[in-house]
Amino acid sequence: AQKITQTQPGMFVQEKEAVTLDCTYDTSDPSYGLFWYKQPSSGEMIFLIYQGSYDQQNATEGRYSLNFQKARKSANLVISASQLGDSAMYFCAMREFALGGGADGLTFGKGTHLIIQP
Amino acid sequence: EAGVAQSPRYKIIEKRQSVAFWCNPISGHATLYWYQQILGQGPKLLIQFQNNGVVDDSQLPKDRFSAERLKGVDSTLKIQPAKLEDSAVYLCASSLVAGFSTDTQYFGPGTRLTVL
Repeated sequence: AQKITQTQPGMFVQEKEAVTLDCTYDTSDPSYGLFWYKQPSSGEMIFLIYQGSYDQQNATEGRYSLNFQKARKSANLVISASQLGDSAMYFCAMREFALGGGADGLTFGKGTHLIIQP
Repeated sequence: EAGVAQSPRYKIIEKRQSVAFWCNPISGHATLYWYQQILGQGPKLLIQFQNNGVVDDSQLPKDRFSAERLKGVDSTLKIQPAKLEDSAVYLCASSLVAGFSTDTQYFGPGTRLTVL
């Protein structure tokens, strides 16, 4: 079973509109972290925002916010007032600690290709 | 602060040849990760080091892939012999310590490998 599911392969959004990128996850580990990364065409992975499983508040970082619904196992990224420079691939990722011993590599979804149109 | 450095940025080889990638993590970061990203997919973890010890290599194809992190700083990932399906971007990431949920992994620019 997929651990991270991103159901939107691609999205077109008008500049200055808000956009929501969907992410659902599957884990039985009570302690986990959820991350969003941006990957422009140049290829580097840029960290955007983090949400811990025990965090009571939704995470926010500038124009990025994470809509965390734990019961639904959903961690959607919201970008407010989109800009042309936001065009990129966006990946949702999860860190679990079930393996123990400090193993905490990220499991990524397949990504959403976001294109901002002027 | 300097980010994660990787070299080379691009590499083209014939199948059955060998290739090596180098990674220098952010200064002071104890944990280093290698990921493989095949075109159209998200990155997949290959191996995780804590200092110079291996923490997780469960997804590393050990018949052809090897990695080392001597002295707990730089790391090298090797493929020998390469197959067509190894064509991918190889990403190195580092974090301060492992096991803390808030600790962020920072990625390098990646090495794009093409196997012909």
